[in-house]
Amino acid sequence: EDQVTQSPEALRLQEGESSSLNCSYTVSGLRGLFWYRQDPGKGPEFLFTLYSAGEEKEKERLKATLTKKESFLHITAPKPEDSATYLCAVQAWGNYGQNFVFGPGTRLSVLP
Amino acid sequence: ETGVTQSPTHLIKTRGQQVTLRCSSQSGHNTVSWYQQALGQGPQFIFQYYREEENGRGNFPPRFSGLQFPNYSSELNVNALELDDSALYLCASSLGTSETDTQYFGPGTRLTVL
Repeated sequence: EDQVTQSPEALRLQEGESSSLNCSYTVSGLRGLFWYRQDPGKGPEFLFTLYSAGEEKEKERLKATLTKKESFLHITAPKPEDSATYLCAVQAWGNYGQNFVFGPGTRLSVLP
Repeated sequence: ETGVTQSPTHLIKTRGQQVTLRCSSQSGHNTVSWYQQALGQGPQFIFQYYREEENGRGNFPPRFSGLQFPNYSSELNVNALELDDSALYLCASSLGTSETDTQYFGPGTRLTVL
């Protein structure tokens, strides 16, 4: 069964304190791994798509990396506006066609 | 702004009733997916439609059904509502032109079942 776990469940950082979020997955036939951020009461906002192990992508203070079993979202010198829930998801081919599996998310709080 | 809209924003129903939620995808996006997100959890994949045909389904019973129309709009129908159906329902659209397809989400419909 395709599974995605994320750690830590919640993370509190001081402004400027860099850290990493982890996404571990078990899936047969990975087609892509996605990172989203979600603010309370809103839909997820797309950040990155990673396709194969070794791939890296960057956007402002965020950098996503991918290995065969996990992905990391590195946050460099975060600001309070980076506070949100960060979701990881995988796309695979399931028993009934396309299948997308999301992790439970990491709730990030950046304190000024 | 993703260009994906959903209606209504909020909805209250009672157990046993039926509900229809609507989504308008980005123009040119041939694929729409629907998700259920309970409070404090990640979204759960319900199903995906590509050019009006279902091409993927998660672990949801048949009382969850959908339709996709040629004008980039779609519907999620839920029959015989249960209390556990209370959640944020999200739709996401994508181009559908490659095997790996980035999805763009709408703001969601908050459904409360009493």
